[in-house]
Amino acid sequence: ETGVTQSPTHLIKTRGQQVTLRCSSQSGHNTVSWYQQALGQGPQFIFQYYREEENGRGNFPPRFSGLQFPNYSSELNVNALELDDSALYLCASSFDPRGSYYGYTFGSGTRLTVV
Amino acid sequence: KQEVTQIPAALSVPEGENLVLNCSFTDSAIYNLQWFRQDPGKGLTSLLLIQSSQREQTSGRLNASLDKSSGRSTLYIAASQPGDSATYLCAVAYSGAGSYQLTFGKGTKLSVIP
Repeated sequence: ETGVTQSPTHLIKTRGQQVTLRCSSQSGHNTVSWYQQALGQGPQFIFQYYREEENGRGNFPPRFSGLQFPNYSSELNVNALELDDSALYLCASSFDPRGSYYGYTFGSGTRLTVV
Repeated sequence: KQEVTQIPAALSVPEGENLVLNCSFTDSAIYNLQWFRQDPGKGLTSLLLIQSSQREQTSGRLNASLDKSSGRSTLYIAASQPGDSATYLCAVAYSGAGSYQLTFGKGTKLSVIP
């Protein structure tokens, strides 16, 4: 059973550019959630995807968008990058949106640096 | 709005000591609570999951308790080892603003001194 995998592991982008981060969910999981973790802080909820639809969103602007594919993998897209977008981006998958039985399983994250 | 607080922010203990990490949350309408471990620059590793109807969970040297009515959880680590050095994060699963999400504390950074 494979866990949650994220790519790339590290990324450097220039302010104003666009970036796409990718996540493969754990086998059997149909829900993917994305989190942003700034240095020294706890992760903050960006949004959740369930059965290819956005299923809830945190306090992030529309330039943060996502997709979920039929195989339940997911992408996070960020447009018009700002310096404050520099963070560790974490993907989590679960059997259902509430994380009812086994909670949420996280990937190793993508470290994004905006210069 | 759900808020999670973890105390202390940092802790340094000698190897072999037993220790307790604390977590408190403001809204008791949670589905479950998870404790995670995070090594520097890495992702999150789930340690223990406590459902809202449960009082505690144990895994090896780790024991977590949950008192939902008072909005508190503790993570007890027995016989600490240098390999336990990491940041420990507490997260509650709840429905906020119509979405299911985890709300995290800022973590407790643990250093176990050999």
